[in-house]
Amino acid sequence: DAEITQSPRHKITETGRQVTLACHQTWNHNNMFWYRQDLGHGLRLIHYSYGVHDTNKGEVSDGYSVSRSNTEDLPLTLESAASSQTSVYFCASSESRGDTEAFFGQGTRLTVV
Amino acid sequence: QKEVEQNSGPLSVPEGAIASLNCTYSDRVSQSFFWYRQYSGKSPELIMSIYSNGDKEDGRFTAQLNKASQYVSLLIRDSQPSDSATYLCAVNIRDGATNKLIFGTGTLLAVQP
Repeated sequence: DAEITQSPRHKITETGRQVTLACHQTWNHNNMFWYRQDLGHGLRLIHYSYGVHDTNKGEVSDGYSVSRSNTEDLPLTLESAASSQTSVYFCASSESRGDTEAFFGQGTRLTVV
Repeated sequence: QKEVEQNSGPLSVPEGAIASLNCTYSDRVSQSFFWYRQYSGKSPELIMSIYSNGDKEDGRFTAQLNKASQYVSLLIRDSQPSDSATYLCAVNIRDGATNKLIFGTGTLLAVQP
């Protein structure tokens, strides 16, 4: 069965370190998204991609970067982790750009100490 | 003004009652609207999508869309304790020449046995 997986599921890192969260989907979807979820803020869009080599900034992109070298993967990098980036991160993918269901990964809980 | 707004709740209803969840959005030309359910500690899952004005029914769930009022709602009939979760409204929002899927902060529903 097609799926979308994130790794790691939990991570603790120190302030200032570079961290990369992995997202891999086997749906063969062109569209992939990264969200963070915090109490009181819901899901906020960090970056999204509509295809290989395409990346776009979302609402809260500062301090994050993504790259899309193939259809299956959209890794999210925190260049220099800050305590404000402690959150639950969700990756999602969809078949079309806005009119079909987005499928979510299991989430990564990141703690920056 | 936030692009997608929801009352955070909690909305408490007795078992068997109708739960009514509401969402407003800012982009007048949005065409795609979604309701996701998220259980605590889990990832969001799609329960309804709606694209045209009016009502769309699926089992105990009815989505209602009013584009003139920029309003979308979700009704849950015969509410069950298993419906207790956070319900996220998502709207496809224009972003220059492209689109992005934006979520509201979610409404926490508690169904009391």
